[in-house]
Amino acid sequence: DGGITQSPKYLFRKEGQNVTLSCEQNLNHDAMYWYRQDPGQGLRLIYYSQIVNDFQKGDIAEGYSVSREKKESFPLTVTSAQKNPTAFYLCASSIRGTGSANTGELFFGEGSRLTVL
Amino acid sequence: AQSVAQPEDQVNVAEGNPLTVKCTYSVSGNPYLFWYVQYPNRGLQFLLKYITGDNLVKGSYGFEAEFNKSQTSFHLKKPSALVSDSALYFCAVRDLQGAQKLVFGQGTRLTINP
Repeated sequence: DGGITQSPKYLFRKEGQNVTLSCEQNLNHDAMYWYRQDPGQGLRLIYYSQIVNDFQKGDIAEGYSVSREKKESFPLTVTSAQKNPTAFYLCASSIRGTGSANTGELFFGEGSRLTVL
Repeated sequence: AQSVAQPEDQVNVAEGNPLTVKCTYSVSGNPYLFWYVQYPNRGLQFLLKYITGDNLVKGSYGFEAEFNKSQTSFHLKKPSALVSDSALYFCAVRDLQGAQKLVFGQGTRLTINP
């Protein structure tokens, strides 16, 4: 089945450690996104990528890094510079372009919950 | 910049009653509007979208939403609520600038009481 796979689902990290969250999609989508979810704050955009080897900062990129070496993959690294990393992280993808088929709908993975001990 | 607001953090409805979850938007130009639902510790699931055409949009699980341009609203509705509808609901608008990403509201927690 086509979809987005995020791993791990739960992750625990000690302060000062970097961690990488995996996101893989087999929907043949060009665009991929990382959102952070905190209680009462909705979803906030961390990074997005419209095409391989290109990505842009979202609203809260500080303390995070990404890469987009393959169309299917968009891993997110939470670095030790991120002050409050405990959160639920959601990866999404969408069709890119301005054609009629692109209505902007995002398809989401099941999320990764990161807890800093 | 595009934005959406969900004025209610929480909505409580008795099972079998109609439900409404409110959303207002602010965009320049024609809006692309979306509703998503999230169950605990899960990703977001798409419910419905308004792009153009009829103001009443029908979606998954018996939900519908009414686009009202004069009131800049896109409220989510269902005629008869089920306990299984209890979840977190997000309204979103497509940012038509640059990367065309979605901007989400804060979310509304819907609780259906048996």
